[in-house]
Amino acid sequence: GQQLNQSPQSMFIQEGEDVSMNCTSSSIFNTWLWYKQDPGEGPVLLIALYKAGELTSNGRLTAQFGITRKDSFLNISASIPSDVGIYFCAGQLAGYGNKLVFGAGTILRVKS
Amino acid sequence: SAVISQKPSRDICQRGTSLTIQCQVDSQVTMMFWYRQQPGQSLTLIATANQGSEATYESGFVIDKFPISRPNLTFSTLTVSNMSPEDSSIYLCSVEDRTDTQYFGPGTRLTVL
Repeated sequence: GQQLNQSPQSMFIQEGEDVSMNCTSSSIFNTWLWYKQDPGEGPVLLIALYKAGELTSNGRLTAQFGITRKDSFLNISASIPSDVGIYFCAGQLAGYGNKLVFGAGTILRVKS
Repeated sequence: SAVISQKPSRDICQRGTSLTIQCQVDSQVTMMFWYRQQPGQSLTLIATANQGSEATYESGFVIDKFPISRPNLTFSTLTVSNMSPEDSSIYLCSVEDRTDTQYFGPGTRLTVL
């Protein structure tokens, strides 16, 4: 089936550091979405990307839709303790309608 | 974005029984989906809940095991039938807005003993 390769699997960083994670695939996507999931909660949408090359910010978060439509990255600047959680990329595959494919997730831990 | 609620938020069930999970949205939406998140794993799409017709299931998921109802544009149910411990997961509904962006409910955490 279609797969998204998300990396890194986990990160343990100092408060105040910048964080970067990415997703790649061999398939082409129409939309890229980045979610954050806290323990016991459903995923919360952080950023949605709709066009190849699009660069979008949401506060300290910045994400880009790759030009080839096969990849995306998420950056978090000046991390704080509440950034702890699991970050998922998700994409809507071209030709597969509205179905979302999810990456395996990046676990973020922040040292205060 | 739409406000999505799920009931129950969690449950502990006995093997062989069934549980029906409800998903309610505060506005009419065209697309509703059901996902499963096994412990420590990512999300996997179970099916698309179609209003007024049978749900569309993904490979590996069947209607007899996961019957779904979608009586209107704001409500859907997912039933996990004849449960076994392997069904212990978080079950999530999601809805899609007019920009093709999906938002998730808080999830139902199911434990099967």
